[in-house]
Amino acid sequence: GAGVSQSPSNKVTEKGKDVELRCDPISGHTALYWYRQRLGQGLEFLIYFQGNSAPDKSGLPSDRFSAERTGESVSTLTIQRTQQEDSAVYLCASSYRDREDQPQHFGDGTRLSIL
Amino acid sequence: GQNIDQPTEMTATEGAIVQINCTYQTSGFNGLFWYQQHAGEAPTFLSYNVLDGLEEKGRFSSFLSRSKGYSYLLLKELQMKDSASYLCAVRDQNAGNMLTFGGGTRLMVKP
Repeated sequence: GAGVSQSPSNKVTEKGKDVELRCDPISGHTALYWYRQRLGQGLEFLIYFQGNSAPDKSGLPSDRFSAERTGESVSTLTIQRTQQEDSAVYLCASSYRDREDQPQHFGDGTRLSIL
Repeated sequence: GQNIDQPTEMTATEGAIVQINCTYQTSGFNGLFWYQQHAGEAPTFLSYNVLDGLEEKGRFSSFLSRSKGYSYLLLKELQMKDSASYLCAVRDQNAGNMLTFGGGTRLMVKP
């Protein structure tokens, strides 16, 4: 069975450009998270989708960041007018119905570099 | 909100035992997870605790005390490949069962 898939694996872009990152969760997983991880740092929560409920956007660092999810499938994280401080690995994770004992399964991440 | 604290770094010797502590404050505790993350890789699930006590899984064990807001991950018979970051994460039922991660503990295993 396929795991969480993220694309692209690497993205290099110029400051000021918009980028779109994609996450395909494990089939049947209703909960989906986006995290940011800067080099040598911990996971920084960005946004959380759970089924058809309104997403928890409390972790988005600025209005340049937005994310969407179509039903219980693919999610895209968009960063507009990128800044050098946005350089990080962006990790997506999914879990089954967010049941208490269900761990999150992580994708391999997108390594974003802003020049 | 939640507050999750772990030591930033630890060093241990191959073959030894190491204990990585995690303390948390949350209004609606609903489970604690430990993850392992090797440099440049995604985190992988290690263990889950929701009731007080010790959960053992091979060389790794995890302990939870809900009254103290405390957990530890115990690694026995350390191997060089255990050098990684270890992440403590807490689920909060008062936050939509969202999982929040601590900053992680970077473990270096030396020969």
